[in-house]
Amino acid sequence: SQQGEEDPQALSIQEGENATMNCSYKTSINNLQWYRQNSGRGLVHLILIRSNEREKHSGRLRVTLDTSKKSSSLLITASRAADTASYFCATAHYNNNDMRFGAGTRLTVKP
Amino acid sequence: GAGVSQTPSNKVTEKGKYVELRCDPISGHTALYWYRQSLGQGPEFLIYFQGTGAADDSGLPNDRFFAVRPEGSVSTLKIQRTERGDSAVYLCASSQGQALGTQYFGPGTRLLVL
Repeated sequence: SQQGEEDPQALSIQEGENATMNCSYKTSINNLQWYRQNSGRGLVHLILIRSNEREKHSGRLRVTLDTSKKSSSLLITASRAADTASYFCATAHYNNNDMRFGAGTRLTVKP
Repeated sequence: GAGVSQTPSNKVTEKGKYVELRCDPISGHTALYWYRQSLGQGPEFLIYFQGTGAADDSGLPNDRFFAVRPEGSVSTLKIQRTERGDSAVYLCASSQGQALGTQYFGPGTRLLVL
């Protein structure tokens, strides 16, 4: 069963704008990861944030984690057309060995 | 040195046939995962290997699905008596060390059951 749920399901913005995607989950996590997928094929890892961390940055990406609300957000600043893709959050839990993915947010950045 | 590779890229088969999907993980990665992804959905966990053993196969939908990793490297996902509902992209990922870390995904095998 899937664990993380992304919001919104789809997002369309203009190049240069910021994009924010949210992820909610249900049970305690070890870490939460964000992935990107182009054209329905392999996923690319973006950021891993551990349960004891609140914020992480990587280039134009900023991820926050609020364990009290069981939610995370991914912010892409100064978006580019090449950022067009589907973005997934995946939660890793203490009591099992796998990660659970949400249904993803489909981001479209218009040039 | 590459990343995770999967073969074939695409597989078309008829209902009732047997298929095998192969995954070559990154060299040295002890953890290997199989996922299934349907159109518009996120990857759905199938099975996780740590070394040669299946540490968690709770995601396999039924006994028509089976996976092996006999030497702790290459893995094969086997589907017997395929059904049209098995059509999906099958993704493989590997990671270093224990589970829960960063996973590196292959390009997937797109399976179509006619």
